[in-house]
Amino acid sequence: DIQMTQSPSSLSASVGDRVTISCRASQGIAYSLAWYQQKPGKAPKLLLYGASTLESGVPSRFSGSGSGTDYTLTISSLQPEDFATYYCQHYYGTPYTFGQGTKLEI
Amino acid sequence: EVQLLESGGGLVHPGGSLRLSCAASGFTFRNYAMSWVRQAPGKGLEWLSEISGGGDSTYYAGSVKGRFTISRDNSKNTLDLQMNSLRVEDTAVYYCTYGTFYAGSHDNWGQGTRVSVSS
Repeated sequence: DIQMTQSPSSLSASVGDRVTISCRASQGIAYSLAWYQQKPGKAPKLLLYGASTLESGVPSRFSGSGSGTDYTLTISSLQPEDFATYYCQHYYGTPYTFGQGTKLEI
Repeated sequence: EVQLLESGGGLVHPGGSLRLSCAASGFTFRNYAMSWVRQAPGKGLEWLSEISGGGDSTYYAGSVKGRFTISRDNSKNTLDLQMNSLRVEDTAVYYCTYGTFYAGSHDNWGQGTRVSVSS
């Protein structure tokens, strides 16, 4: 099974900051990577897929990059509604696995 | 509008069984692979199982293989998860999901149904 290691596990930031979250796969996943945002008590929301393709309706301050085993989610200018937990997930074949999550706090 | 409505959650004793259902609407159900994903209290997300659009292929996470069975009824637009030999560690919110563009990239989620396994 492919393991996904996400870092950091938590992050404190302020409105307007630029933040980066990293995700490393235990083997190459050929851009088959999704990023999700989850707020307390809610289902996750897809932000990006294909490592860098923005899901419809997601603000352009979210971006993704990477290749091979290493991928990054960047939020260019944090907004109050961005404080949430973020997960990466590979879909390079089953079993799909998620990173352990990054809690983004004020 | 896409809707995924899970039901069937509840409290069950260890070793017991439970059947979750997901009623789908707003899209051509038979065209999409469907998955179950769960989240234990205070923990991260865990993909459990996927079934192909036609129902002929199924896939499972190691943690549930042999205990859980995914199935679908394309005539009724429903997805099920039969959960047997339940363990305390199966306590979680269970989500029904699917991906519009890629099966594993889940852009559609239900609201979740809560399962508690406790003696």
